[in-house]
Amino acid sequence: GENVEQHPSTLSVQEGDSAVIKCTYSDSASNYFPWYKQELGKRPQLIIDIRSNVGEKKDQRIAVTLNKTAKHFSLHITETQPEDSAVYFCAASTGNQFYFGTGTSLTVIP
Amino acid sequence: GAVVSQHPSRVICKSGTSVKIECRSLDFQATTMFWYRQFPKKSLMLMATSNEGSKATYEQGVEKDKFLINHASLTLSTLTVTSAHPEDSSFYICSASPGPSPNWVVLQYFGPGTRLTVL
Repeated sequence: GENVEQHPSTLSVQEGDSAVIKCTYSDSASNYFPWYKQELGKRPQLIIDIRSNVGEKKDQRIAVTLNKTAKHFSLHITETQPEDSAVYFCAASTGNQFYFGTGTSLTVIP
Repeated sequence: GAVVSQHPSRVICKSGTSVKIECRSLDFQATTMFWYRQFPKKSLMLMATSNEGSKATYEQGVEKDKFLINHASLTLSTLTVTSAHPEDSSFYICSASPGPSPNWVVLQYFGPGTRLTVL
């Protein structure tokens, strides 16, 4: 089955700085890569996603890049704000199942 | 947007009893529903994938006789934790998918989760 690894597990940045979270996957059949933000005790919320036929996607302060050859994808958050503090999960999907990374706890220091 | 509800939000039960958790898609038909388990400060672990009208597909290491999943309709899936023990205490989250989008992407919408505590 698919194996998704995510780094780092914790990340602290100063407000206004950028944050980068990286994930790797093992199944070359995976073709959809969503990123979720989860606040304490709440459900994961989709923040951005990318499909395997696209190398980069941007939505305001959030961007995701995908390298299919190397089987890794990254989340980039620019101009971080305190409300960006949360746990972020990457996931990889073949279309039938979703496999999540281990999560990154992001803390934005005011 | 697509709404998924989950009931109950919290449940406390005694060891040895069974607990049923419901997952409903409120404004769309969910051809596939996923059940996840999440330990504190840990990632979502996929337990099983269920398609309406067929048996659930369980992930390796998940006991199908302990975690009974029923997906009887396109809007309802249930997870029953049988003979619960304290180690089953966890946050259980379901998600529902309407099937491939026009761009052949399978989206999933998460329920709010159920906090199970087994005494």
